[in-house]
Amino acid sequence: GQSLEQPSEVTAVEGAIVQINCTYQTSGFYGLSWYQQHDGGAPTFLSYNALDGLEETGRFSSFLSRSDSYGYLLLQELQMKDSASYFCAVRDGYSSASKIIFGSGTRLSIRP
Amino acid sequence: DAMVIQNPRYQVTQFGKPVTLSCSQTLNHNVMYWYQQKSSQAPKLLFHYYDKDFNNEADTPDNFQSRRPNTSFCFLDIRSPGLGDAAMYLCATSRGGTASSYNEQFFGPGTRLTVL
Repeated sequence: GQSLEQPSEVTAVEGAIVQINCTYQTSGFYGLSWYQQHDGGAPTFLSYNALDGLEETGRFSSFLSRSDSYGYLLLQELQMKDSASYFCAVRDGYSSASKIIFGSGTRLSIRP
Repeated sequence: DAMVIQNPRYQVTQFGKPVTLSCSQTLNHNVMYWYQQKSSQAPKLLFHYYDKDFNNEADTPDNFQSRRPNTSFCFLDIRSPGLGDAAMYLCATSRGGTASSYNEQFFGPGTRLTVL
């Protein structure tokens, strides 16, 4: 089957660094994306990795290792507003019929 | 501002009474998606359109139908809502074309459906 695995919950301290891991098992792979969703809100796109390595966007970075079917989202200088759920997502093909698969989400709680 | 708009934001319907949710976009994106999201769960893809090409997920119940009359609008019809269909329904778009633009989805604010 196709699946993405992420930790269900992570707690961190304001100002610290946290890493949210994602492992995937899909029939095809055409990129790993990350989304942030605050309670009651819609998901917001954070980053996309198609190739191995680290992509940095401000305080957020995302990493991909295709050989390990693994990626992570790194959040630095954590702020209270970063408390949210974070989803990894994989597109399993490139045709118009390709499927988007979301992980079950990681709820990040920030403590002062 | 270019955006994805969903109406209504909150919808209450009765068990078995058909309901239609709407989504419009000013981004001129090729791809439009409908997701169902229940509390503390991941968004679940119901179906999507690439232009006029409709792609239904295998496990999407027949009770759910969709229409895309033009690039800007997409509708989700629930023919006979059951209590289990109460959820947030999210519409999203992506540009298609390159892999990066395909993977970046823009979500609307969602419609929260309550079934009485």
